[in-house]
Amino acid sequence: DGGITQSPKYLFRKEGQNVTLSCEQNLNHDAMYWYRQDPGQGLRLIYYSQIVNDFQKGDIAEGYSVSREKKESFPLTVTSAQKNPTAFYLCASSISLTPWRSTGELFFGEGSRLTVL
Amino acid sequence: AQKITQTQPGMFVQEKEAVTLDCTYDTSDPSYGLFWYKQPSSGEMIFLIYQGSYDQQNATEGRYSLNFQKARKSANLVISASQLGDSAMYFCAMREGLGTSYDKVIFGPGTSLSVIP
Repeated sequence: DGGITQSPKYLFRKEGQNVTLSCEQNLNHDAMYWYRQDPGQGLRLIYYSQIVNDFQKGDIAEGYSVSREKKESFPLTVTSAQKNPTAFYLCASSISLTPWRSTGELFFGEGSRLTVL
Repeated sequence: AQKITQTQPGMFVQEKEAVTLDCTYDTSDPSYGLFWYKQPSSGEMIFLIYQGSYDQQNATEGRYSLNFQKARKSANLVISASQLGDSAMYFCAMREGLGTSYDKVIFGPGTSLSVIP
């Protein structure tokens, strides 16, 4: 079945360690996104990418890094510079849109819950 | 500045009644898209409805309809005949920068809806 796979589902990290969250999609979507969600809050955009080898910072990119070497994959690294990394991380993908084709919702993975000990 | 505003942190509705969840947005793009997503306590993101900025008619999907008032920059979600399973967080989202490297989707802070039997 087509979809987005995030792993791991749960992750524990010690302070000062980097950790990488995986996001893979087989929907043939060009666009991919990473969001962070804190308890009771909305989704905040970390990074996004419309095409391979290109990505843009979102509203809260500090302390995070990404790569987009393949269309299907958009891993997120939470670095030790991220001061409060404990959160729920959601990856999403969609078709690329144009002003003349503006219909295309985001498809989400099941999320990764990161806890810093 | 907040680009998506949802002024109702929490709402209650009686089962079988209709409820309106408010959303206002801010963009200078002539072409954009507006979404509503539902997030139950399980954490999954469920797409409900989409409205394109050039769509003449308000979008409808089953019990969901989007009251789009472009001049007021408002995109309220109307849920008719509420069911107990509608209890969840509801997020309004906007896609802008269509057709560019800066095509991104941002979310509002959400409204928690509780359906009372």
